[in-house]
Parts: sequence; C-alpha cells; structure tokens
Amino acid sequence: AQTVTQSQPEMSVQEAETVTLSCTYDTSESDYYLFWYKQPPSRQMILVIRQEAYKQQNATENRFSVNFQKAAKSFSLKISDSQLGDAAMYFCAYRGNSGGSNYKLTFGKGTLLTVNP
Amino acid sequence: DVKVTQSSRYLVKRTGEKVFLECVQDMDHENMFWYRQDPGLGLRLIYFSYDVKMKEKGDIPEGYSVSREKKERFSLILESASTNQTSMYLCASSSWTGSRRYEQYFGPGTRLTVT
Repeated sequence: AQTVTQSQPEMSVQEAETVTLSCTYDTSESDYYLFWYKQPPSRQMILVIRQEAYKQQNATENRFSVNFQKAAKSFSLKISDSQLGDAAMYFCAYRGNSGGSNYKLTFGKGTLLTVNP
Repeated sequence: DVKVTQSSRYLVKRTGEKVFLECVQDMDHENMFWYRQDPGLGLRLIYFSYDVKMKEKGDIPEGYSVSREKKERFSLILESASTNQTSMYLCASSSWTGSRRYEQYFGPGTRLTVT
C-alpha cells in the first residue's frame, strides 16, 4: 500500500521568508499524481499545487513551487515570500494510477505552518 | 468554481443515535468521498463512490455506511453513533476528466461530537 510521510509536524517561518515543507512517499507505481493541500484554521481545504509523475518539470503556482525527486520519492513544497495568510495545515497527498489505488488520495498527517510577523 | 457543501458545520448527537451527514456537489463530478480528520492522524478515507449507487470501502469503514442515490449527493450514515466517532468529517468530490482530473474538492467539514 502507498504511504505518505510528512516528517515535520510543525514548522514556522518569518513573514517574507522562504520555507520548505517535506514529503516522502512509498510506491511501486511509475505513473501517479502528487498534491499539496492547504487547510487554514477553521476553513475549507484547498488545493495548492499538483504534480504529474511523468512530468520532469517541477510545478509552480505563483509563490508556491515543488521539488519533485522521483527516484528519491520526495515531493517538497517551497513557499516563497511567506505571508500571514499562508498559515495553515499543509497536507501532501498521493494518487496512484492503477488498480485499486486509482480512486483515492492517500494523505500524509500534515505539517502545521506558522507565519510570524 | 466547484462547490461542495455539507449539511451541518457542527453537530452534537447522543450515543446510539443514527446520524446522517449530507454532502452535495454542483460540478457533476463522478467521484465522491468521505473522510474523517483527527489530530495527528491526517485524513482517513471512510468510503467513496465512483458512480450513482456504487460504493467502495475506504480504510476505516467500520461503523459507517453510505448512500448515493443521485450523482450530486453522497450521504454518510452512522448507524449507532459512538463516542469514538467524534471527529471532523470532510466530504470531497473529483472528476475523471478534464485538466483538473483527480483533484479533490472539499466541503467545509462537519464537526461531530457524540456524547
């Protein structure tokens, strides 16, 4: 079964600085999707960024970018120019593309990011 | 924008009660999901549905059942609520097609307390 590990339960960053959240995953599949989701306090979970495994280029969305290392099974999220509104719980998620894994997302346990003014 | 709504933000029920949590999505998505979220455990999949009247067990289905009679609506049922089912419940939906396929869109969550 696929597993997703976020080794940092909590992180903090100063406003305007850069922070990197780590995620590793375990899979035997070669084709899959990876996602980072953001859940602000008492608010709805939203998608931050996605990466298809077959794409070598790292995905970027404005201040958010990923470092996707397929061989190392690593998928870290970098937040540049951190803002107070970036404070949230961040979840890394995996979606396989074969067999019984192709319906669901497997989530990590989350990293709580605090942004200090 | 995709909208996923859940019937209640907060719910308090007594042990042994039958509890219904409703979820509705407005984007004609084929897939719908129910998760529970607990501190330190992340999101765990309870059940999902890939079509009307179709359902599959997730990782923690015990004590739960689901119903999907219409494409836009997916209900989670706690047949006899217990205190260990006190949790945040999140509904999500996704599509097989399009540029945003497989991305899951979440509802605001229902915080259920069973006393």
